[in-house]
Amino acid sequence: DSGVTQTPKHLITATGQRVTLRCSPRSGDLSVYWYQQSLDQGLQFLIHYYNGEERAKGNILERFSAQQFPDLHSELNLSSLELGDSALYFCASSSGQGRHEQYFGPGTRLTVT
Amino acid sequence: AQSVTQLDSHVSVSEGTPVLLRCNYSSSYSPSLFWYVQHPNKGLQLLLKYTSAATLVKGINGFEAEFKKSETSFHLTKPSAHMSDAAEYFCVVSDRSGGGADGLTFGKGTHLIIQP
Repeated sequence: DSGVTQTPKHLITATGQRVTLRCSPRSGDLSVYWYQQSLDQGLQFLIHYYNGEERAKGNILERFSAQQFPDLHSELNLSSLELGDSALYFCASSSGQGRHEQYFGPGTRLTVT
Repeated sequence: AQSVTQLDSHVSVSEGTPVLLRCNYSSSYSPSLFWYVQHPNKGLQLLLKYTSAATLVKGINGFEAEFKKSETSFHLTKPSAHMSDAAEYFCVVSDRSGGGADGLTFGKGTHLIIQP
């Protein structure tokens, strides 16, 4: 158990809908990262927050957004969902930025029908 | 820019024999390198990390990796495979020097199969 929690574990929704994925980092970790894992794209970095501020964006679509709250939990919002958004979404946390190792949550499996 | 190439998409070994999973990296800076393992329907677990200290890094479950700058490699090894080692393994690079905030760059993964 990494200490990172994600909810829900599974999510099934229809195209065009909006969903919110939630992540709680390990106790004391200030950084939260979001990743998408799909069969065709592999694991891709989406976005990074550090102590409530956005620090870096990766391959994140404009339909997707995230935030980190004062209690350090984070939410990833996915809107106008398409079939291709079906994937595993992972959250990871670390104590700092950059070279620090990241600890991954169990993931949220999103299925868009 | 940073990138990672895992040279084998699948590796099959017999239980009790050595494991070698190969990884080459490209980095503009002095990198941090990691190996993560993902068991079916599970999250990713950190196996080991290299952050410019000793070049031979020991991790969990008997795995180790050697950082070779001249070869830009970071291969993962284990002397004796166990059935529970069957999983997907990811080589990962981060070349931010601490002030940056990029996420990790993952290789495409190597599927390790253990034959009884």
